[in-house]
Amino acid sequence: DAKTTQPPSMDCAEGRAANLPCNHSTISGNEYVYWYRQIHSQGPQYIIHGLKNNETNEMASLIITEDRKSSTLILPHATLRDTAVYYCIVSSSGNTPLVFGKGTRLSVIA
Amino acid sequence: DAGVTQSPTHLIKTRGQHVTLRCSPISGHKSVSWYQQVLGQGPQFIFQYYEKEERGRGNFPDRFSARQFPNYSSELNVNALLLGDSALYLCASSGGRALRGNTIYFGEGSWLTVV
Repeated sequence: DAKTTQPPSMDCAEGRAANLPCNHSTISGNEYVYWYRQIHSQGPQYIIHGLKNNETNEMASLIITEDRKSSTLILPHATLRDTAVYYCIVSSSGNTPLVFGKGTRLSVIA
Repeated sequence: DAGVTQSPTHLIKTRGQHVTLRCSPISGHKSVSWYQQVLGQGPQFIFQYYEKEERGRGNFPDRFSARQFPNYSSELNVNALLLGDSALYLCASSGGRALRGNTIYFGEGSWLTVV
């Protein structure tokens, strides 16, 4: 079973920031938080990952709480192309199979 | 650089037939994993291979098998196809070293329809 809990769906206005929450209260000390997204009919796309510090790349920012029990993925200026299912996953390394939950279906609205 | 490539992209098979799906990992990646995604669900882990050795297996019947070749490419084989095997089959690759935080990258998948 997935170790994460995400809301099933969210809406966001185009151009606004999309903040996607994830709870992972049973995360272990050696587990990272990974975010992937899946646009309809395509393979999952890696977005970002982090251990305990906040991370930022060209796609998004990842904010992890100090106790590491939850995190938020931030898409700073959502576009229609960001409409997808977003998966939050905890995993210890790239050698560990990823356990996907149902994710959050983000709809960006014009 | 090429990402993870999979073939074929779409195929239709009849119940009872056999199917072989192929995957080439990102150059330099030694670990390949296979996932099955049925409509409306998240991907489910099937197999992981590293350096041609099976390193993990999900909860799938023995009709599912896989192998990894010396060039790190991989095949997923499914025998005696059932209607319920209709799904998107995803291949993923990673560096394979036991580095914490290593990233897994997915291909676009192979859509299998069993009729």
